[in-house]
Amino acid sequence: KAGVTQTPRYLIKTRGQQVTLSCSPISGHRSVSWYQQTPGQGLQFLFEYFSETQRNKGNFPGRFSGRQFSNSRSEMNVSTLELGDSALYLCASSLRGFPEAFFGQGTRLTVV
Amino acid sequence: AQSVTQPDIHITVSEGASLELRCNYSYGATPYLFWYVQSPGQGLQLLLKYFSGDTLVQGIKGFEAEFKRSQSSFNLRKPSVHWSDAAEYFCAVGAGSGGSQGNLIFGKGTKLSVKP
Repeated sequence: KAGVTQTPRYLIKTRGQQVTLSCSPISGHRSVSWYQQTPGQGLQFLFEYFSETQRNKGNFPGRFSGRQFSNSRSEMNVSTLELGDSALYLCASSLRGFPEAFFGQGTRLTVV
Repeated sequence: AQSVTQPDIHITVSEGASLELRCNYSYGATPYLFWYVQSPGQGLQLLLKYFSGDTLVQGIKGFEAEFKRSQSSFNLRKPSVHWSDAAEYFCAVGAGSGGSQGNLIFGKGTKLSVKP
């Protein structure tokens, strides 16, 4: 069974640009969450999607957004990139009703 | 507010020695508790989880953890560490309700180094 797949693995963007990251959950998992990992702040929850609807949201500015498609794949978008957005972005999937989350390898975003 | 504390930022143990990584949590209800491991540049791998029942849970790679409600702790242990265990370990509490994955709240992590 394939795990959580995140693409791309690495990205370099310039300040002010926008970026879209993609996440394909484990087959059968319909809940997808996104996390930001930085050396200073650690792992922080961005948002959770289930059935194409955002169910929970962390404390991030509106520049961070996401969506989920009918096949449960999810994308997150960051607009007007700032240097501080450089981080490892992790996607996790789970079965609805089961709180354990399975993580992808992450997308390393570098903003220059 | 819910929180997770991992008091040790970095621990070094000798190969073959026992290991205990500490985790304390603050949560209003019975928590869902997890330990994850992360190798450099990689994602998080679930080591073990506690939902309810037996307070001693077994995980993968020979790890175990014990839930102690009175101490609000969920410490991770391994009787004999292998060089391949060198990684960063994260304790997390699941803050979702109604079976939702919701928001996993993570500790800051403990980096484990293993001496030969």
